[in-house]
Amino acid sequence: EAQVTQNPRYLITVTGKKLTVTCSQNMNHEYMSWYRQDPGLGLRQIYYSMNVEVTDKGDVPEGYKVSRKEKRNFPLILESPSPNQTSLYFCASTPGTGGLTFFGQGTRLTVV
Amino acid sequence: AQKVTQAQTEISVVEKEDVTLDCVYETRDTTYYLFWYKQPPSGELVFLIRRNSFDEQNEISGRYSWNFQKSTSSFNFTITASQVVDSAVYFCALSVPDRDDKIIFGKGTRLHILP
Repeated sequence: EAQVTQNPRYLITVTGKKLTVTCSQNMNHEYMSWYRQDPGLGLRQIYYSMNVEVTDKGDVPEGYKVSRKEKRNFPLILESPSPNQTSLYFCASTPGTGGLTFFGQGTRLTVV
Repeated sequence: AQKVTQAQTEISVVEKEDVTLDCVYETRDTTYYLFWYKQPPSGELVFLIRRNSFDEQNEISGRYSWNFQKSTSSFNFTITASQVVDSAVYFCALSVPDRDDKIIFGKGTRLHILP
């Protein structure tokens, strides 16, 4: 089954404690991205990657890092989380050039 | 720059009523895609429809229908005979294939269907 898998689904952490949210897709898609969703703001793109070892900033990249060492994986790294990064995060993948985008199930992160 | 506006922040209707969710988009590109997603209380994003800019035909899928009008840059979504299970947040979105496939989302409309 074609899917994007994020882990964990729920996470509560403390300010400053590094964390990684993993994302994996099994569709051999070139393009992957991360979004955050906040009430009243919709979803906003954090980072994207057009291929292995190619990553670029989206609209709200501050406080986040990503890596794309393999085509299937695109982890989101918060080196020093802060409460303003409490949000619902979605990973997405697409074959590119207008192909259909698949979203992960979402990760609800709370930073206290 | 691309933009999607969902002017209705929250709507409440009584079950079995029809309801239309409005979506207005902005882009200078001639080739683009429009989407609707549903987000139920469980939080996942459920894909409903994708429409490309060259296909202005309206679409109907069961109780759902979509009206795409390039002249007014609108892509409205109607639920006929609403049901409680339709209660969710609905997002309209836009992507342009030549612009990194980024999806630009509206802020969403929260729909309450009252029993």
